[in-house]
Amino acid sequence: NAGVTQTPKFRILKIGQSMTLQCTQDMNHNYMYWYRQDPGMGLKLIYYSVGAGITDKGEVPNGYNVSRSTTEDFPLRLELAAPSQTSVYFCASSSPGHSYEQYFGPGTRLTVT
Amino acid sequence: DAKTTQPNSMESNEEEPVHLPCNHSTISGTDYIHWYRQLPSQGPEYVIHGLTSNVNNRMASLAIAEDRKSSTLILHRATLRDAAVYYCILRGFSGSARQLTFGSGTQLTVLP
Repeated sequence: NAGVTQTPKFRILKIGQSMTLQCTQDMNHNYMYWYRQDPGMGLKLIYYSVGAGITDKGEVPNGYNVSRSTTEDFPLRLELAAPSQTSVYFCASSSPGHSYEQYFGPGTRLTVT
Repeated sequence: DAKTTQPNSMESNEEEPVHLPCNHSTISGTDYIHWYRQLPSQGPEYVIHGLTSNVNNRMASLAIAEDRKSSTLILHRATLRDAAVYYCILRGFSGSARQLTFGSGTQLTVLP
């Protein structure tokens, strides 16, 4: 199993551009999440999904959109990138169960200039 | 969500035990205590979790106080590879409980 994969690893965007961060998991997990991590800080939840076709906002959803058309994929869309969106983005997945252990991808480092 | 308090940083010598404390005085009866760690330039990884009883796995042990207001993650023999930020997180079973709320964690430095 590859686990959770994210592409791209790095990206530089100009202000106002848009892009999609890709996330795929091969563990057949129902739950998927997008977090962002600013330098020296903990992770903050952007959006999450409990299954295909179901998404919900997390703590910091403004400026982002998500979709979940399949169990495996959970892309994160940035519209009109702003410098405040410079961050490292992590995707994670988990399955229902008493632990809800989350498996994280390697992250995408995004710089908006 | 109930909050946790951890020291900003700790140091340990290689091959010695490390005790990482976490205070969670407002924990509710259904909150699980989770620990994750984040190695440099990587995503977080699950370490251990527990509810009331002490727990052991191949990575670490979790000691939970009898009143559940605090817990301690124990690494039995620290290695250089254990240098990471360790997050103590409470997770309950309410509607938003599938989320993990990360604080700033404890930066563990392991000295050779």
